[in-house]
Amino acid sequence: DGGITQSPKYLFRKEGQNVTLSCEQNLNHDAMYWYRQDPGQGLRLIYYSQIVNDFQKGDIAEGYSVSREKKESFPLTVTSAQKNPTAFYLCASSMTSGNLGEQYFGPGTRLTVT
Amino acid sequence: SQKIEQNSEALNIQEGKTATLTCNYTNYSPAYLQWYRQDPGRGPVFLLLIRENEKEKRKERLKVTFDTTLKQSLFHITASQPADSATYLCALTPKNQAGTALIFGKGTTLSVSS
Repeated sequence: DGGITQSPKYLFRKEGQNVTLSCEQNLNHDAMYWYRQDPGQGLRLIYYSQIVNDFQKGDIAEGYSVSREKKESFPLTVTSAQKNPTAFYLCASSMTSGNLGEQYFGPGTRLTVT
Repeated sequence: SQKIEQNSEALNIQEGKTATLTCNYTNYSPAYLQWYRQDPGRGPVFLLLIRENEKEKRKERLKVTFDTTLKQSLFHITASQPADSATYLCALTPKNQAGTALIFGKGTTLSVSS
């Protein structure tokens, strides 16, 4: 069963704690992305990676960090420096070569920080 | 400034009618434009992609048009059904950035009543 998995679906943390969101894909896609979605807002890009061991900041990277040590995995860490971390986080992947940009999304992780 | 706007936050129609959703963009030169469906609490799902040199694309009951002069894409669902109720997102990829992250609109929530 191919696709993207994100875990956990719901995550609760206390303010001041770092938290890592998992994203795994078995689609053999080169590119992976992290977006944040807030109520009434579109998806905003946090980080993306087009190849293993390389990644680029998106529009709202402050307070977040990522790693891309394996093609299949692109975890996102929400640090205590992120001012408003409560949001719905979406991971996506796509092919790069020969690709027109269609992205496949995971089910999302809803993070609540209190 | 660069913007991508879906000019209706919500659209309510009766079953069997055609739903038409609008996506306008400013100060972008999209290579292509995509439409996604998102159900509450879930990740977006790809529906259709249209290239800048295509006027229209169809898939079953779905039709997308792309007018680069008007800087607008229209998304139509014919013979709409209650199961079509969801939020629909448009997204674009600027030229020379294929394989990179998409730029999303905020979405239009469609409600189809029986």
